[in-house]
Amino acid sequence: DQQVKQNSPSLSVQEGRISILNCDYTNSMFDYFLWYKKYPAEGPTFLISISSIKDKNEDGRFTVFLNKSAKHLSLHIVPSQPGDSAVYFCAASGETDKLIFGTGTRLQVFP
Amino acid sequence: NAGVMQNPRHLVRRRGQEARLRCSPMKGHSHVYWYRQLPEEGLKFMVYLQKENIIDESGMPKERFSAEFPKEGPSILRIQQVVRGDSAAYFCASSPVAGGLTYNEQFFGPGTRLTVL
Repeated sequence: DQQVKQNSPSLSVQEGRISILNCDYTNSMFDYFLWYKKYPAEGPTFLISISSIKDKNEDGRFTVFLNKSAKHLSLHIVPSQPGDSAVYFCAASGETDKLIFGTGTRLQVFP
Repeated sequence: NAGVMQNPRHLVRRRGQEARLRCSPMKGHSHVYWYRQLPEEGLKFMVYLQKENIIDESGMPKERFSAEFPKEGPSILRIQQVVRGDSAAYFCASSPVAGGLTYNEQFFGPGTRLTVL
């Protein structure tokens, strides 16, 4: 039972353009959502998060949007840079502190 | 300010041996989480510990796996009688308080890659 889903395993974007990574969830009890970035052979690095009481949170080039009615969130990266190439994981948490992760989207930013 | 430390980074065991994975949380963090990532999958929660207490072990296999976080020293994830299916990357994360700083942020270590021959 996959409660957090990232349906696009990969995404390729040109440098300078916008990258949009999507995430869907099924559990309406989730109250926090987070995005992590992961390079090969390293641990996930926290990027940005959002509470379920908000619909947008912005930090520099990264913006996360939350649509509670659709149970959908997205991460926008503008402008995309080659160093953004990594695997991005969406995660959610609810009443307990454990994080439920999606399967990840591999982003490649090309020149 | 050192981040979350895990050792060893790579561990090779033969079937039936024991594997011990260590995690030192960030300074000032008293909450530790263990996650496992199988090839081509996302991270799966295993166990959540505070000092000397297991808070949530709902993701731990019922047999062969155990975890501890003693008053002094690192957290240990122990796998007894390893099998090939235990081959995975094991990540430890820490947070300073329950629920993280704001939105349950957890900070991850580099992981231990376990290979069972």
